Amino acid sequence: GDSVTQTEGPVTVSESESLIINCTYSATSIAYPNLFWYVRYPGEGLQLLLKVITAGQKGSSRGFEATYNKETTSFHLQKASVQESDSAVYYCALGPGGSNAKLTFGKGTKLSVKS
Amino acid sequence: GGIITQTPKFLIGQEGQKLTLKCQQNFNHDTMYWYRQDSGKGLRLIYYSITENDLQKGDLSEGYDASREKKSSFSLTVTSAQKNEMAVFLCASSPWGGAETLYFGSGTRLTVL
Repeated sequence: GDSVTQTEGPVTVSESESLIINCTYSATSIAYPNLFWYVRYPGEGLQLLLKVITAGQKGSSRGFEATYNKETTSFHLQKASVQESDSAVYYCALGPGGSNAKLTFGKGTKLSVKS
Repeated sequence: GGIITQTPKFLIGQEGQKLTLKCQQNFNHDTMYWYRQDSGKGLRLIYYSITENDLQKGDLSEGYDASREKKSSFSLTVTSAQKNEMAVFLCASSPWGGAETLYFGSGTRLTVL
């Protein structure tokens, strides 16, 4: 089946440092999956951070970027300079083009940014 | 903007008890979902519904029933709670289709004594 593997947390970085959270996927049943990063901030519900539906494209939001790399089956999340407000749990997910009901989520990576 | 409201936020039950979780959305979305999240694991789909009175089983539907009597609401029933079960149940909604954003509620945390 399909699967998503992401950096095992918790991850702790200092404010203004750079960040990368790795995400690799295996899409055995989907030729061209859609890729997502969702985030859950403390006390809030899970929400979409960014998505990319075309291989080779980059998505960005709130200073975060992720590039859909079909060759390496990766969708790593990066930020050049993190802030304390970025402390959250980040989830990588993949899904087929036709239905959100088949989304496969990774286990989540808890990020703590210290000031 | 809209909101997804899940009730209750915390649910404590006894082994064998039937427990119901409720979810309301005011986005006017067609599709609603119930996910289960166990500690250290990804979200797993229990049930989803693409329209009023429709129900589709996810990967984890055994032991659960669901009901979508109105477009705005989607309830989940744990038919027989298992002792020492602890999980967070997340409700979500989205427009129908692929690559659409899912909007999540804050979750219901279940503890079974």
